[in-house]
Amino acid sequence: GESVGLHLPTLSVQEGDNSIINCAYSNSASDYFIWYKQESGKGPQFIIDIRSNMDKRQGQRVTVLLNKTVKHLSLQIAATQPGDSAVYFCAETSDYKLSFGAGTTVTVRA
Amino acid sequence: DADVTQTPRNRITKTGKRIMLECSQTKGHDRMYWYRQDPGLGLRLIYYSFDVKDINKGEISDGYSVSRQAQAKFSLSLESAIPNQTALYFCATSDPGQGYYNEQFFGPGTRLTVL
Repeated sequence: GESVGLHLPTLSVQEGDNSIINCAYSNSASDYFIWYKQESGKGPQFIIDIRSNMDKRQGQRVTVLLNKTVKHLSLQIAATQPGDSAVYFCAETSDYKLSFGAGTTVTVRA
Repeated sequence: DADVTQTPRNRITKTGKRIMLECSQTKGHDRMYWYRQDPGLGLRLIYYSFDVKDINKGEISDGYSVSRQAQAKFSLSLESAIPNQTALYFCATSDPGQGYYNEQFFGPGTRLTVL
């Protein structure tokens, strides 16, 4: 079936280093791929999206890469900060509905 | 996001009881959604509404119903709660014509426990 999933459930990163969070998807018909961040006790918060006809999109300290050949999506966070500690979800969308992956918990070490 | 509020924030109930979770938004968005989050499974879409007269089932609608009372209000009901409906429930809103095309704004969540 169609699904969106993440490669690793947890990621530990040294403060100041770059983080890379990976996601595999199976629905080639998705219009967009999106990354959300969920801090403890809060609802998910939109980070960045990428249209399916793009390979790369940059935001503030974040870059999303899309490799349609291997159906792989990644989120790169530059100079990881303590405030980046959260659960990160990739999601895909078609017809304006989101389908979420299981999430990667990122812990930033001081 | 304070623009999307959910009540109650926590609820403990017993099997067979009828439960209503409420969502209100001040963002002026037409589109509203209900999700369920279980540990290790991410969020799954229960129901969504693109305007007051539009209600659509998501991937896990069985056992749930919704009501869109106004543009700003979208309620989720469990007609007869069962233990496997214990989860964290999120309401969200969106407007593709504003800001990021795919951005949904989530409420703080309701933690529901069915005993």
